[in-house]
Amino acid sequence: GAVVSQHPSRVICKSGTSVKIECRSLDFQATTMFWYRQFPKKSLMLMATSNEGSKATYEQGVEKDKFLINHASLTLSTLTVTSAHPEDSSFYICSAKSSDWTGNSPLHFGNGTRLTVT
Amino acid sequence: AQSVTQLGSHVSVSEGALVLLRCNYSSSVPPYLFWYVQYPNQGLQLLLKYTTGATLVKGINGFEAEFKKSETSFHLTKPSAHMSDAAEYFCAVRLTGANSKLTFGKGITLSVRP
Repeated sequence: GAVVSQHPSRVICKSGTSVKIECRSLDFQATTMFWYRQFPKKSLMLMATSNEGSKATYEQGVEKDKFLINHASLTLSTLTVTSAHPEDSSFYICSAKSSDWTGNSPLHFGNGTRLTVT
Repeated sequence: AQSVTQLGSHVSVSEGALVLLRCNYSSSVPPYLFWYVQYPNQGLQLLLKYTTGATLVKGINGFEAEFKKSETSFHLTKPSAHMSDAAEYFCAVRLTGANSKLTFGKGITLSVRP
């Protein structure tokens, strides 16, 4: 089945630094990737939709200058949390859909990245 | 726009007991429906999905769900709970358009008592 790899699984960084999270589709080409944020005991909140070769589409309330998304190839999307602050600490999950994705197909999710900003 | 309601935040059952996790949706047209499971510090794994056809859908790990249009529900069940079923469960809905987004419920934590 389709596999989405997310790296790193955990990262701890100091306040003010930037952190990059990678999302890779291992056995299919992902024309679209989605980035979610999950707070403790909360549902997944869609942050942005990333299309290969074009600018990401951000959901309302998500700061595009803070959460930089790059989708430079059909197998890789990156989320960079810039100038991280403790309130950015969260669990970030990516998902992907392939170029031959049909409307009733499920999304494939990465295993998530636990970001802790100290 | 579509929405998902998962009542309650926590369900606790004994090992071997019936598992019932409720999900109701709101949608202007019949949507696609999904159940995902999340284990601690991991991503989401698809349990099952309903798109068209048979309204009773069987998934992995012995789970199944029934789409009831009249009740706008898609409840998840498993006849006999196992300790390994303890996890977070999310119901999700999306419309049938290719560009429609996946909307998640807030999730339910399932605990299984020995």
